[in-house]
Amino acid sequence: EAGVAQSPRYKIIEKRQSVAFWCNPISGHATLYWYQQILGQGPKLLIQFQNNGVVDDSQLPKDRFSAERLKGVDSTLKIQPAKLEDSAVYLCASSLSSGGGETQYFGPGTRLLVL
Amino acid sequence: SQKIEQNSEALNIQEGKTATLTCNYTNYSPAYLQWYRQDPGRGPVFLLLIRENEKEKRKERLKVTFDTTLKQSLFHITASQPADSATYLCALEDQAGTALIFGKGTTLSVSS
Repeated sequence: EAGVAQSPRYKIIEKRQSVAFWCNPISGHATLYWYQQILGQGPKLLIQFQNNGVVDDSQLPKDRFSAERLKGVDSTLKIQPAKLEDSAVYLCASSLSSGGGETQYFGPGTRLLVL
Repeated sequence: SQKIEQNSEALNIQEGKTATLTCNYTNYSPAYLQWYRQDPGRGPVFLLLIRENEKEKRKERLKVTFDTTLKQSLFHITASQPADSATYLCALEDQAGTALIFGKGTTLSVSS
């Protein structure tokens, strides 16, 4: 079974530039998550999709971050414009469904450095 | 506000010993508690899930306990090996199925 795929793996940009990350979840997984993990911290949920609908985006800085999951499969996360404090690893995860202690499967992450 | 604390940022033990990691939480009533392992440069990998009505769960050399009165979970790795060196994260989920909340993690180093 193929895992969660993410690209790019690394990205370096200057502040005020824009950047986009892509995620392909495990086939058949209805729920997709984007997390931000700052160095030395645990992952923090940014947005959760159930199929192509948003379930939770309460911690997404909507003035600069946006995400979509077209056709309920792949997803993109965009930052525009980026700030220095956005430097982090952006993790995508998927699960068969949400809640009920469902196991989340994580991708390798995209490491973003904002200069 | 909800808070999760993992006992220490780093834990160093010798091969063959039992590693015990602690996860404490406040202002939260989790229905499920999960433990994940994260290696450098990789995403977290699920290890174990324990429900609020379970006291203990085992999987091979791993054991998790969950005490909802103390608001604490203990994660044990018996007969530890250098390959167990990684960061271990605990994560909580409430009955409503809202988002997983992760602790900062404890980095375990097992020396031979």
